[in-house]
Amino acid sequence: KQEVTQIPAALSVPEGENLVLNCSFTDSAIYNLQWFRQDPGKGLTSLLLIQSSQREQTSGRLNASLDKSSGRSTLYIAASQPGDSATYLCAVGGGGSNYKLTFGKGTLLTVNP
Amino acid sequence: SAVISQKPSRDICQRGTSLTIQCQVDSQVTMMFWYRQQPGQSLTLIATANQGSEATYESGFVIDKFPISRPNLTFSTLTVSNMSPEDSSIYLCSVEEDPGNTIYFGEGSWLTVV
Repeated sequence: KQEVTQIPAALSVPEGENLVLNCSFTDSAIYNLQWFRQDPGKGLTSLLLIQSSQREQTSGRLNASLDKSSGRSTLYIAASQPGDSATYLCAVGGGGSNYKLTFGKGTLLTVNP
Repeated sequence: SAVISQKPSRDICQRGTSLTIQCQVDSQVTMMFWYRQQPGQSLTLIATANQGSEATYESGFVIDKFPISRPNLTFSTLTVSNMSPEDSSIYLCSVEEDPGNTIYFGEGSWLTVV
């Protein structure tokens, strides 16, 4: 059974700081890995999708890397802003014919002005 | 990207009643899923909604408690039956336009059972 762990559970940083969120998974037989953002009282917004054959994806100030063999992914946020405050969720897509996602518990990020 | 609308967005329900949540997508999608997010927890997959056939439920979830319909490629419903306070959660609909690609989520339906 796939298990996804996110560290740290919570993170508070001053505005402008670069930061890294970590995600690890137990079964490396994945199709893809996706990072989401969840604002309080809202649904999930997809940030980045990395296919299993890829090493990283970038979108604006966000960069996500994937090391499938070691079961790890990181989400790098450059020059953080107060608007980045949210819960960040990592989810891995299973192999075979089952594309369902297994989620971590998330990292609650607070960026202080 | 797919745009997903969920109704209701919030509701307060009486114990023992049932509530049906609707999920409407603005385009035809291959895969539709229903997730639950209990307070302070991450998301757990309830079932995959299959068009024209019975939903595929994950371990711990059964059709009698969470009946699902998917009459076409743009619409699905999830019913939470005989609700108890333990069913107080956010219920989220998600879609995958093509297998292995980005999964999109609706805004969620916040249910409180009293």
